[in-house]
Amino acid sequence: NAGVTQTPKFRILKIGQSMTLQCTQDMNHNYMYWYRQDPGMGLKLIYYSVGAGITDKGEVPNGYNVSRSTTEDFPLRLELAAPSQTSVYFCASSYPAGAGELFFGEGSRLTVL
Amino acid sequence: DAKTTQPTSMDCAEGRAANLPCNHSTISGNEYVYWYRQIHSQGPQYIIHGLKNNETNEMASLIITEDRKSSTLILPHATLRDTAVYYCIVRVKVQAAGNKLTFGGGTRVLVKP
Repeated sequence: NAGVTQTPKFRILKIGQSMTLQCTQDMNHNYMYWYRQDPGMGLKLIYYSVGAGITDKGEVPNGYNVSRSTTEDFPLRLELAAPSQTSVYFCASSYPAGAGELFFGEGSRLTVL
Repeated sequence: DAKTTQPTSMDCAEGRAANLPCNHSTISGNEYVYWYRQIHSQGPQYIIHGLKNNETNEMASLIITEDRKSSTLILPHATLRDTAVYYCIVRVKVQAAGNKLTFGGGTRVLVKP
């Protein structure tokens, strides 16, 4: 199993541009999450999903959109990129049962200039 | 979810046990203690979790006080690869609304040769 795969790993955007961060998992997890991490800080939840077709806002959703059309994929869309969105973005997934631990991807480092 | 308090940083010697404390004085009866770590720039990695009994796995041991107001993560023989930020998180184990994690600042652990 590849686990949680994120693409791209690095991206530089200009202010006002849009892009989509891709996340896919092959563990058949129902729950998926997007976090962002600013330098020297802990992770903050942007959006999460408990299953295909169901998404909800986390702590810092402004400036982002998500969709969940399949169990495997949970893309994060940035509209009108701003310097404040410069961050490392982590996607994660988990089972709805058992220990409930989250499995994280390797991150996508985004710089907005 | 209950709030946790951890030291900002700590050093430990390679080959010695590393004891990482966490205070969670407002923990509720149905909340578990989870530990994750984040090695430089990587996605967080699940380590262990527990409710009230001490737990051990191949990575670490978790000691929870009888009143459950604090806990200690023990890395029995720290190696240089254990250098990371360690997060203590208190959470209800499995939630229908998603197993969301709230990350604080964590403890930055430096293992020295």
